[in-house]
Amino acid sequence: AQTVTQSQPEMSVQEAETVTLSCTYDTSESDYYLFWYKQPPSRQMILVIRQEAYKQQNATENRFSVNFQKAAKSFSLKISDSQLGDAAMYFCAYRSRTGANSKLTFGKGITLSVRP
Amino acid sequence: DVKVTQSSRYLVKRTGEKVFLECVQDMDHENMFWYRQDPGLGLRLIYFSYDVKMKEKGDIPEGYSVSREKKERFSLILESASTNQTSMYLCASKPGGNYGYTFGSGTRLTVV
Repeated sequence: AQTVTQSQPEMSVQEAETVTLSCTYDTSESDYYLFWYKQPPSRQMILVIRQEAYKQQNATENRFSVNFQKAAKSFSLKISDSQLGDAAMYFCAYRSRTGANSKLTFGKGITLSVRP
Repeated sequence: DVKVTQSSRYLVKRTGEKVFLECVQDMDHENMFWYRQDPGLGLRLIYFSYDVKMKEKGDIPEGYSVSREKKERFSLILESASTNQTSMYLCASKPGGNYGYTFGSGTRLTVV
């Protein structure tokens, strides 16, 4: 079974600074997806960024980028130029690429606060 | 935009009651999921369904059942609610193929 580990329960960053959220995972599969989701106080889970394991290039979405290290099974999220609206819970998640098993496996999440 | 609607945002029920949590999606998605979210534990999969009348157990199915009689609706049932089922419940849906999930806004259930 796949597992996703987020070892830091909380982090804090100064507005306009950069922060990196860590995630490791364990799997025996070679083809899969990795995700970062954001959950603000409204509770709506929002997809931040997605990485396909067969792609070597790290995914980027505006101020959000990942450092995907497949051999190390590491998938960290970097938020640049942090904004007050980035304050939320962030979840790392894994999904197998095979269609019959499309469930997401989540980490425990990390609470990010942004200091003005 | 795809919408996943959970019928209640907050719910308070008594121990032993039968509880129904409803989830409806409006985009003909094949797959639907129920997750439970608890502080320090993240989201854990209770049940999922990849077609009408089909269901699969997730990681923590004990104490729960589900129903999917129509493609757009996926119900989570607590047969006899207990205080340890006090939690946030999140529903999600996804089309077939390599597409993303859409989540509902959650139901915060308190069992007293």
